[in-house]
Amino acid sequence: AQKVTQAQTEISVVEKEDVTLDCVYETRDTTYYLFWYKQPPSGELVFLIRRNSFDEQNEISGRYSWNFQKSTSSFNFTITASQVVDSAVYFCALSDTGTASKLTFGTGTRLQVTL
Amino acid sequence: AAGVIQSPRHLIKEKRETATLKCYPIPRHDTVYWYQQGPGQDPQFLISFYEKMQSDKGSIPDRFSAQQFSDYHSELNMSSLELGDSALYFCASSLAGEKLFFGSGTQLSVL
Repeated sequence: AQKVTQAQTEISVVEKEDVTLDCVYETRDTTYYLFWYKQPPSGELVFLIRRNSFDEQNEISGRYSWNFQKSTSSFNFTITASQVVDSAVYFCALSDTGTASKLTFGTGTRLQVTL
Repeated sequence: AAGVIQSPRHLIKEKRETATLKCYPIPRHDTVYWYQQGPGQDPQFLISFYEKMQSDKGSIPDRFSAQQFSDYHSELNMSSLELGDSALYFCASSLAGEKLFFGSGTQLSVL
């Protein structure tokens, strides 16, 4: 069975701090995809990244970076120099099969960035 | 760029009523997904369609049904609504099983 664990329920940081959101997953599939989505207070789900299980290269996109460690089944997300607009709930998700046909989400981490 | 369009944005119904949610996927996307997100919960997969055929099914109640039409839009029909059906319902679409793009959701409140 697929499972995604986001142990941090809520994180509060001051603007300009760096923050890392943890994600640990379980799957029996050898081919899978991992995702991060952002859900701001307005409610929509915003796609951030998709990573396939064969690509362990870390990725950086502006202030965002992702660290995929297959050995520890983790896919952590770091925001550098956080801003108030980063305040949202962040979901880590895992695909059910080799394609993104069905996502299993973690319970989300609520990030609060204050001035 | 065109995104996934969902309507209505908000819907208020009473118990035992019926509701229909609509989803218009991104043009040329071949797969549509429906997810339900209860208050303070993570989104849960309900059902998906690939090229107008049901492709996968999750924890969708028997009171719910869905279909994808020839123009690729999809509708989620919910009957005999219960208080517990109050949730944010997301539609998402993808092309060839690539990354899912979500709509803004329909907030359903059952009173």
